[in-house]
Amino acid sequence: KNEVEQSPQNLTAQEGEFITINCSYSVGISALHWLQQHPGGGIVSLFMLSSGKKKHGRLIATINIQEKHSSLHITASHPRDSAVYICAVSLSSGSARQLTFGSGTQLTVLP
Amino acid sequence: EAGVAQSPRYKIIEKRQSVAFWCNPISGHATLYWYQQILGQGPKLLIQFQNNGVVDDSQLPKDRFSAERLKGVDSTLKIQPAKLEDSAVYLCASSPIKGQGYEQYFGPGTRLTVT
Repeated sequence: KNEVEQSPQNLTAQEGEFITINCSYSVGISALHWLQQHPGGGIVSLFMLSSGKKKHGRLIATINIQEKHSSLHITASHPRDSAVYICAVSLSSGSARQLTFGSGTQLTVLP
Repeated sequence: EAGVAQSPRYKIIEKRQSVAFWCNPISGHATLYWYQQILGQGPKLLIQFQNNGVVDDSQLPKDRFSAERLKGVDSTLKIQPAKLEDSAVYLCASSPIKGQGYEQYFGPGTRLTVT
């Protein structure tokens, strides 16, 4: 079993829909990251959070430390949101400052 | 602030050939990471440098992969000889913050195809 699990693996939505991507982890963490990867490979950090909720534009990330679960929400989705969204965690037991990654969620937003 | 730079962006080689990738991290970032990302999977750490020293290379296939970070700035990752299963995107990232709860900044990646 992977330490970081994401669902769904693939998601297709119509423009304007509200989207939720889920991430569950099985280890102690110091922080959880949501990353966006567009075709071509480059990765952009969207959020880093250790508790509560963060919002940036149409993106909202929440985390529940007790349940070891995080969600990434996209409101009023747009075709330009189409990308792979990756959840990653910084382990609380690690001293090397490494990330453990989920396998990603491929999001396609249709016009 | 300039981002993490990588080159080349794309590379196609035949199996058993050699290839090298280059990474220039964000200025002042002490920590540098090389990842391998196979299609449909999350990135896998190959090697982590702190300045010019290796912190973790436990997942680096040392019989064919090597990496160096001379002078604690730029880094190169080499594969010699390449195998078909090395086809992947190779990502470089750097990080400025010490301790827990840090953020990594990723480069655009190098897409390697081994035929």
